[in-house]
Amino acid sequence: DAGITQSPRHKVTETGTPVTLRCHQTENHRYMYWYRQDPGHGLRLIHYSYGVKDTDKGEVSDGYSVSRSKTEDFLLTLESATSSQTSVYFCAISEVAGNTIYFGEGSWLTVV
Amino acid sequence: AQSVSQHNHHVILSEAASLELGCNYSYGGTVNLFWYVQYPGQHLQLLLKYFSGDPLVKGIKGFEAEFIKSKFSFNLRKPSVQWSDTAEYFCAVSTPNNNDMRFGAGTRLTVKP
Repeated sequence: DAGITQSPRHKVTETGTPVTLRCHQTENHRYMYWYRQDPGHGLRLIHYSYGVKDTDKGEVSDGYSVSRSKTEDFLLTLESATSSQTSVYFCAISEVAGNTIYFGEGSWLTVV
Repeated sequence: AQSVSQHNHHVILSEAASLELGCNYSYGGTVNLFWYVQYPGQHLQLLLKYFSGDPLVKGIKGFEAEFIKSKFSFNLRKPSVQWSDTAEYFCAVSTPNNNDMRFGAGTRLTVKP
C-alpha cells in the first residue's frame, strides 16, 4: 500500500464550523488530490496539487480550500461546514499526471 | 471533460458465476482507463489499468478488462467469482498529463456463498 496517512479518520462537527483534513505521504509523489465519495456519485475531485504551493480546482471545489506547504502534506479546509459536505474524503497521490492514483484510507466527516 | 458511465448499480451473483461489469466513457481523444475495487470499509485499490497496446488487460485476482475503442467501453470481467470479490467496483478514465481523473458511480457486487 502507498504511504498515505489521513487525519482525522472520523470527525463529527457542527454546521458553520471550520474543519481541516490532513493528508501526509511518504512516497515523494508530485501530485496530490482530494476526492469526496458519495453514494450514486462515485468519487469526485475537489482540488489537486501539482507541487508545493501549486494547487487547482477540481469538479466540486465550492466551499473547499487547500494548501500544500510541503511536498508531503496536503490540507483540505472546509471554511464553514455544511450538511451537504457530509461525506467520505479520500486523499490520493500520483507520480505522473493522468497515471495511476493511489488512495489513502479515507476520512469520514459528518456535519450535523 | 470526460465522463464515465457504469451501467449496473448492484449486481448479485452466486459463487462460480461469471462476471461482466460495463463501463463506457465519453471522450474522443487518448485516454487512460482504470478499474478500482473498494472492499467494505476500505480505500480504493487498483485492479487493472490500460494505457496502450493489447486491449485485453489482466489485473490482480483473476480480473481482466477489454478496451473497445469503437464502443468507448472498458468492461471488467472475471470467469468465476468468489465470495471474497464482494465489493464496490469503480471504472475511471483520465487523459495523459491531466489531473482530472473521472470516476463512474460504482457497481456494488454481492457474491452469495
